[in-house]
Amino acid sequence: QVQLQESGPGLVKPSQTLSLTCTVSGGSISSGSYYWSWIRQPAGKGLEWIGRIYTSGSTNYNPSLKSRVTISVDTSKNQFSLKLSSVTAADTAVYYCARLAAGTYPDYWGQGTLVTVSS
Amino acid sequence: SYELTQPSSVSVSPGQTARITCSGDVLAKKYARWFQQKPGQAPVLVIYKDSERPSGIPERFSGSSSGTTVTLTISGAQVEDEADYYCYSAADNNLVFGGGTKLTVL
Repeated sequence: QVQLQESGPGLVKPSQTLSLTCTVSGGSISSGSYYWSWIRQPAGKGLEWIGRIYTSGSTNYNPSLKSRVTISVDTSKNQFSLKLSSVTAADTAVYYCARLAAGTYPDYWGQGTLVTVSS
Repeated sequence: SYELTQPSSVSVSPGQTARITCSGDVLAKKYARWFQQKPGQAPVLVIYKDSERPSGIPERFSGSSSGTTVTLTISGAQVEDEADYYCYSAADNNLVFGGGTKLTVL
């Protein structure tokens, strides 16, 4: 059973860079044809796809966030990471990491981690 | 980019049939999935490929598709089905969620 766990600071100052890591257990991040993704959800609002990465390093990003987002993968640690630059209060949300089956839809999710942007 | 449009809320009494729609041009050429999300929990897949049900999802959940609209149907809705429901699709290296529908069962 694949499990994902997000980790990183819960509080980030405005204009700084938000950094999160997702650790995958129960299987190798390199096995199978899976993409790995970040999704976020502001309090009381809907889900927003941020981006995805394949273990080769190939990435795709939400066009609305593309200029600020970098997703990377470290296969030796079975982890992938998110960096979101120049954050504002609008980036305050629960951030989920997820595995994408068929490269397109989440079939396993982390529990989510709340990141608050505030000074 | 493209958009998926859902009603913000749907209400039914227990035992009634709940229908939640999702509309978007991309749905004419790509499959939709449906996720159920309860407060404080990660979403759970309830329908994939427009109408397929994952193992462990009750038979009262079904999906259908017609043109640019997909529909999630919960036949005989139960109180425990009260949740937010999101449609989801992917095309052109872009993945998108609908805005979500709050289903109230009371």
